[in-house]
Amino acid sequence: ELKVEQNPLFLSMQEGKNYTIYCNYSTTSDRLYWYRQDPGKSLESLFVLLSNGAVKQEGRLMASLDTKARLSTLHITAAVHDLSATYFCAVVNNAGNMLTFGGGTRLMVKP
Amino acid sequence: KAGVTQTPRYLIKTRGQQVTLSCSPISGHRSVSWYQQTPGQGLQFLFEYFSETQRNKGNFPGRFSGRQFSNSRSEMNVSTLELGDSALYLCATRTAQETQYFGPGTRLLVL
Repeated sequence: ELKVEQNPLFLSMQEGKNYTIYCNYSTTSDRLYWYRQDPGKSLESLFVLLSNGAVKQEGRLMASLDTKARLSTLHITAAVHDLSATYFCAVVNNAGNMLTFGGGTRLMVKP
Repeated sequence: KAGVTQTPRYLIKTRGQQVTLSCSPISGHRSVSWYQQTPGQGLQFLFEYFSETQRNKGNFPGRFSGRQFSNSRSEMNVSTLELGDSALYLCATRTAQETQYFGPGTRLLVL
């Protein structure tokens, strides 16, 4: 059974600081996704990572994937308040038709 | 192009009733997946449909069922509602190798 663990579950940080969210998963997968969720809203796709060593960046967020370590990271650079949200990583099964989500990291960026 | 749409957006039911939720995918997307999100269990996979066939099912009781129509629209049904079925129900659609795009969700409250 595929398991996905994120840490930390909660992160409070000040504007301008850097931090990293970690996502570990238990079995081999072809794809890993990062999503953002604002309170009361749906999931917004941030990144899809397809191969070992993949790195993608969008604004202050950068995601990377190490398939050998079964680890993905979401790095936040110089955080701003607008980044406050819950971030989920999700791993796809071998058939490609089911996502298993991590527990989410609730990020609060304080001025 | 238009995104994933879900109806209704909010629903209040009482225990023992049944409910039907609808999801219309992005044009051209033939895969529709359903997820349940609760504070306690997080995001959990319910089932996935492709070309009117259920291809995968999560670990939910038989009270949870779904179907997909020839136009790729999907419905999910929950019979004999329980308090614990209160959740945000999200559907996601995709083409073969693309990211899953999530709809706005249906928030179900069971009293």
